[in-house]
Amino acid sequence: DTGVSQDPRHKITKRGQNVTFRCDPISEHNRLYWYRQTLGQGPEFLTYFQNEAQLEKSRLLSDRFSAERPKGSFSTLEIQRTEQGDSAMYLCASSFAGRGNNYGYTFGSGTRLTVV
Amino acid sequence: AQSVTQLDSQVPVFEEAPVELRCNYSSSVSVYLFWYVQYPNQGLQLLLKYLSGSTLVESINGFEAEFNKSQTSFHLRKPSVHISDTAEYFCAVSANTNAGKSTFGDGTTLTVKP
Repeated sequence: DTGVSQDPRHKITKRGQNVTFRCDPISEHNRLYWYRQTLGQGPEFLTYFQNEAQLEKSRLLSDRFSAERPKGSFSTLEIQRTEQGDSAMYLCASSFAGRGNNYGYTFGSGTRLTVV
Repeated sequence: AQSVTQLDSQVPVFEEAPVELRCNYSSSVSVYLFWYVQYPNQGLQLLLKYLSGSTLVESINGFEAEFNKSQTSFHLRKPSVHISDTAEYFCAVSANTNAGKSTFGDGTTLTVKP
């Protein structure tokens, strides 16, 4: 098991461009989460999937953000028309949840987005 | 909704001294509690968790945390720290009814000095 993989590690983009990040979770994990982290703050929830179903999306997330998890495997997070305020570390995590339990996350190394 | 407050943003200590990193939470439902650690230039790692049962939980590297329901706290302690414990520590809470998202505190930077 290679853990949670995120690609790319770093992304620099011009304001107004679209970007897409990929996350490959641990294969046995049925839940996949996206978080965003800015300097000096803890991870902020964006959205999560159980298998292929997107179960919750943060109200803080604008319509420019969309996430998919086709076939319950890898996931992509797309940001359209990027803004400088989108600059952050985007974290993916996976976990196994059964009977409603959350046993804790395994995080990837993150994708650092810089919008210039 | 849940919230987490980590009471100290930075904690400097000398090697071999004891340390306590404080975490308070609020929730209207029962919770699961977690501590994550982020070593320099590494990703977040799960350090320990409270799900149910014994209120005192331990990690493999000597940290422990105690769930105190009456004080809504989950403080992290270690009796004797090492230089290698220098890292940022995040407390997190999730509702055990939903068990989906976790809410994180803003982190405590532990710096262990020789």
